[in-house]
Amino acid sequence: AQSVTQLGSHVSVSEGALVLLRCNYSSSVPPYLFWYVQYPNQGLQLLLKYTSAATLVKGINGFEAEFKKSETSFHLTKPSAHMSDAAEYFCAVTRNSGNTPLVFGKGTRLSVIA
Amino acid sequence: DADVTQTPRNRITKTGKRIMLECSQTKGHDRMYWYRQDPGLGLQLIYYSFDVKDINKGEISDGYSVSRQAQAKFSLSLESAIPNQTALYFCATSEGTYNEQFFGPGTRLTVL
Repeated sequence: AQSVTQLGSHVSVSEGALVLLRCNYSSSVPPYLFWYVQYPNQGLQLLLKYTSAATLVKGINGFEAEFKKSETSFHLTKPSAHMSDAAEYFCAVTRNSGNTPLVFGKGTRLSVIA
Repeated sequence: DADVTQTPRNRITKTGKRIMLECSQTKGHDRMYWYRQDPGLGLQLIYYSFDVKDINKGEISDGYSVSRQAQAKFSLSLESAIPNQTALYFCATSEGTYNEQFFGPGTRLTVL
């Protein structure tokens, strides 16, 4: 079975500072991994995904994530936070057979301070 | 126009009432899902369907039922609503090798 742990339910950064949101996964088979973002009063939208091609994945809005098999991690980063990045972020995992639902982490709320 | 739509967007109801939440999609995807979101708990899978004749329980299906009326429509019912079903409900669709999911805007349900 797959599972995801997001470390820190709430992360606060200053505008212009590095954003680092942590995600560790558990999977008995090679995984596909995803980061989603949820802005207030909206549904979730895909930021980026890892599908076993490149280990460093670039997404929308300047975010990227690196798949590290040895650490079972898929942390999300952005070099410089913007006020518009304030949102909730979810990490998700599925098996690379492609026919199982995603399993989501509990989410990390990112606050950006001016 | 939105690819995944949910109706209603907001609903307030009373304990014991039957409620149906509807989801429609124009993405042409075979796979559809219902999730509920509670603060601090993330998204929990209620039911999912990989085609019109396929229905599967998720991790929290008790108290819920679903109907897949067509490829494009997937409805979630609460037969007798209770207050702890107050939550934000999301419909999602997916297809393809990676199964990335596309979400609707959500339905906020309050059970008094």
